[in-house]
Amino acid sequence: EPEVTQTPSHQVTQMGQEVILRCVPISNHLYFYWYRQILGQKVEFLVSFYNNEISEKSEIFDDQFSVERPDGSNFTLKIRSTKLEDSAMYFCASSDGTSDEQFFGPGTRLTVL
Amino acid sequence: QKEVEQNSGPLSVPEGAIASLNCTYSDRGSQSFFWYRQYSGKSPELIMFIYSNGDKEDGRFTAQLNKASQYVSLLIRDSQPSDSATYLCAVPTRADGLTFGKGTHLIIQP
Repeated sequence: EPEVTQTPSHQVTQMGQEVILRCVPISNHLYFYWYRQILGQKVEFLVSFYNNEISEKSEIFDDQFSVERPDGSNFTLKIRSTKLEDSAMYFCASSDGTSDEQFFGPGTRLTVL
Repeated sequence: QKEVEQNSGPLSVPEGAIASLNCTYSDRGSQSFFWYRQYSGKSPELIMFIYSNGDKEDGRFTAQLNKASQYVSLLIRDSQPSDSATYLCAVPTRADGLTFGKGTHLIIQP
């Protein structure tokens, strides 16, 4: 069964450093998303991406965040200068666009020290 | 601010009984509703979705939607210990993104 994959599973970084989180969405899906979940809190929408551009972004997705689809398979989330409060699980999701169903990857745990 | 509300629990149910999980939402224009299951430290896993008023059954799971009351529920019949998880209600309240509730922590007691 096709699935969303994410790398790395765990990323540890120093405050102020840049990180890139990588995702490979399900191959025939056209809509891509990033969510985050701070420990013990709810899953929060960050950004959606379709046709090589951002469709929508939340208040969390400020200038420190960017997304890119550098090739036909990868979808990345970059955080330019990480803060302590960026520590969270980051989930990538994808959808084929025929329904609202979104399928989540296993997540990347980001720890900012 | 569009909200999705769930009782955080924990909700404790004996094995074999019916677990009933509830969710309310604030956006009256919402058209689709999703239930995800999340095991500790894992990602959300889609288990049910519903678009129309009434009931939708899939195996041991039944989703119920009442748009007039802005209420959606998930029933799990013949609860198993493996059903112990956090159940997340999600509603697309943006153009694309899902708004999640905080989730209900369900414990199935053997």
